Formats: sequence, structure tokens, C-alpha cells
Amino acid sequence: GQQVMQIPQYQHVQEGEDFTTYCNSSTTLSNIQWYKQRPGGHPVFLIQLVKSGEVKKQKRLTFQFGEAKKNSSLHITATQTTDVGTYFCAGRSGGYNKLIFGAGTRLAVHP
Amino acid sequence: NAGVTQTPKFQVLKTGQSMTLQCAQDMNHNSMYWYRQDPGMGLRLIYYSASEGTTDKGEVPNGYNVSRLNKREFSLRLESAAPSQTSVYFCASSFWSQETQYFGPGTRLLVL
Repeated sequence: GQQVMQIPQYQHVQEGEDFTTYCNSSTTLSNIQWYKQRPGGHPVFLIQLVKSGEVKKQKRLTFQFGEAKKNSSLHITATQTTDVGTYFCAGRSGGYNKLIFGAGTRLAVHP
Repeated sequence: NAGVTQTPKFQVLKTGQSMTLQCAQDMNHNSMYWYRQDPGMGLRLIYYSASEGTTDKGEVPNGYNVSRLNKREFSLRLESAAPSQTSVYFCASSFWSQETQYFGPGTRLLVL
């Protein structure tokens, strides 16, 4: 079945350092979504990527969708303490109705 | 708009007890979902309802049943709770199944 793998599981950075999380699928994805979950909170939608090679930016966050539509990344420039949380990717293969979530990357930012 | 609401927020059950988790959305969404979240395992889909009147199994449906009561409400029932069902349960909804999902605040369930 469809699998979405996410690495690293945990990342600890100093405030101001950059951070990247990677998402890989065993199958070609029709789209990929990214969510953020603050500690004790619920997942909140960040962005959706649909096109091969697509790059989207939200302030300090840069999202990429691979050319083969099997991988994606989220890069945060100059992390801040407000970036703390778990970042999930979630993908769907064509013809497969369900969104499959990666296990998430937990980001800790130390001031 | 309240978005997606879930009740209860916390629950402690003894093994073998039953309970129903309630979920409601006021965004006129067609699709609704139940996930469980366990440490290191991300979000796993239990059941979903692509539209009113339909329900389908997700990755981990065993031990659960669901009811799509109407367009707004989607409940999750544990008939005979087991310690392995200790988890955080999230309900989510989306306009259609391909689109952005909006999550409720979650129910933290402990089964002793």
C-alpha cells in the first residue's frame, strides 16, 4: 500500500539556524499537503503542492515538490521559537481516496 | 464558526467499557475523518466518510465503528475498549475528500 516516510523524526536547533524536513513516498503522489501541530494542539494546514517541481514560499518557509512527485521538503530559514511543533507531510496517490500522513518531524528551537 | 468540535476532551475508561466520541463541523463540509495519533506514529486513519451516507475503513479500523449521523456529525464508537486504544483521537473534515482537512481539538483517551 501507499507509504509516506518522513525524516528526521526529531530535530533540535538553536534559534536562528535553518531546518529542513523531508518526505518520501513509495508511490507517485497526486498532491502533497503539509501540516503543523503545536505541542498539545491539533494539526493545522500549511500548504498544498500539486505540480511536479513546484516551489512555494510562506515567509521563512519554503516548500518543494519533487520532479517525480515522490518526495517533498519543508525548509525553514532562521528558525524562531514560534516554529516549535511537529510538521507532517500528507500525500495522496492518484485514484486513492485517502490522505496518508508521514510520522512527522518534531522541531525543538532553543533560544 | 466553531469549525470542528469534539467531545469529550478527556476520557478514562476501563478495559471492556464502551464509549462514543462525538464530532461535529459547521463548515458545510462533505467529507469527515477519524484519526488516532500515537507517539512516533503520526496520524493514522481509522474511518472516513467521503460524503453523507457513506463510510469506509481506513488503515486501522479494528475495534471501532462509525456513524455519519448527518452532514454535520460523525461519531466514533469503541464497543469494548482495550489498553491498545489509548491514544489521542482527532476528527477532521474537508469540503471534498481531495481537499484541505480541518482538525478538531482532539480527545485524549486513556484505557486502563
